[in-house]
Amino acid sequence: GESVGLHLPTLSVQEGDNSIINCAYSNSASDYFIWYKQESGKGPQFIIDIRSNMDKRQGQRVTVLLNKTVKHLSLQIAATQPGDSAVYFCAENWGDYKLSFGAGTTVTVRA
Amino acid sequence: GAVVSQHPSRVICKSGTSVKIECRSLDFQATTMFWYRQFPKQSLMLMATSNEGSKATYEQGVEKDKFLINHASLTLSTLTVTSAHPEDSSFYICSAPSSRTYEQYFGPGTRLTVT
Repeated sequence: GESVGLHLPTLSVQEGDNSIINCAYSNSASDYFIWYKQESGKGPQFIIDIRSNMDKRQGQRVTVLLNKTVKHLSLQIAATQPGDSAVYFCAENWGDYKLSFGAGTTVTVRA
Repeated sequence: GAVVSQHPSRVICKSGTSVKIECRSLDFQATTMFWYRQFPKQSLMLMATSNEGSKATYEQGVEKDKFLINHASLTLSTLTVTSAHPEDSSFYICSAPSSRTYEQYFGPGTRLTVT
């Protein structure tokens, strides 16, 4: 079946640098995408979302970009901090609130 | 924001026994809740949709007789892992959607270890 996937499983970034996490999706009918952060032993934490009628959305230190032409989603984290170290998942809405999660990218921030 | 709780946070049980996990929406009502399972270093996989007042709907490959779901009220859904085996050891996470937006609120998860 169709699924959401991530390009890279791990990302190591220097503290203070910007991070970019990528995600590819295959279901062209998805109309809503979400980025989650998951720390070890905890549930997913909402970061930012975007509807399919938008190309970009900004939050506090985070930006999500959606390219529907190539079915690509990215999360940019500005001035990455040690507290940003976690696993990041993209997810797409299948409909009726059912979410399909990508594989996850582990972000490690180097001091 | 809205809060979803899970109980217990950790549970260890012996093979062959059953264990119940609770998921509660603390400050909002949820006619629908979702149960996910996450194995170590893997992503979340949707197991089933819990529906208040009706039967749960299960994703393909999930045994409904093994993973019993009861949506007892508008704020409580329970997942019972029956006749648990070591391969059922996993992190179980529930979620409940907002009634106004697409946003979902996730619980903190329950770590199940079957010995």
